[in-house]
Amino acid sequence: EAQVTQNPRYLITVTGKKLTVTCSQNMNHEYMSWYRQDPGLGLRQIYYSMNVEVTDKGDVPEGYKVSRKEKRNFPLILESPSPNQTSLYFCASSSLGGDFTPPGELFFGEGSRLTVL
Amino acid sequence: AQSVTQLDSQVPVFEEAPVELRCNYSSSVSVYLFWYVQYPNQGLQLLLKYLSGSTLVKGINGFEAEFNKSQTSFHLRKPSVHISDTAEYFCAVRTRSGYSTLTFGKGTMLLVSP
Repeated sequence: EAQVTQNPRYLITVTGKKLTVTCSQNMNHEYMSWYRQDPGLGLRQIYYSMNVEVTDKGDVPEGYKVSRKEKRNFPLILESPSPNQTSLYFCASSSLGGDFTPPGELFFGEGSRLTVL
Repeated sequence: AQSVTQLDSQVPVFEEAPVELRCNYSSSVSVYLFWYVQYPNQGLQLLLKYLSGSTLVKGINGFEAEFNKSQTSFHLRKPSVHISDTAEYFCAVRTRSGYSTLTFGKGTMLLVSP
């Protein structure tokens, strides 16, 4: 079954304790992205990756890191989490369309709800 | 840069009534348009998309949307809703040329009651 898998689904942590949210897709997609969803703000892109070893900042990258060492995995790293990073996080992937740009049909994981105390 | 405005944060309707969820976009260049749906405690999934051709596009679960270039709108409609359509709906846009991130609206919560 084609899917994007995120772990953990739920996490409560404390300020400053490093954490990693993993994301893995089994569709051989080149493009992967992280979003955060907050009430009243919709989805905002954190980072994206066009392919292995190619990553770039989205709209709200502060406080986050990513890496893309393998095509299927795109972990999101919070080096020193703070309460304003309490949010629902989504990983998404898609194949590259024509002209090497993502076609827009994103496949989403089920989300990771993070609470930072 | 492009932007998306979803005019209603919440739309309550009764079962079997028609519904329209409004979406307006802003962009200086041509765009692709999308509607995604998020059921409770799930990720988003694609409902329908407009890439080119007919301005009326049909999606899953009986939804359709019409692209109106002059009004820069892409409203989502369904003639008769079900309880199971209760979900949050997101309009999204990206430009046609070059790399463009997918920009989402803030979402419209559709609440269907019996």
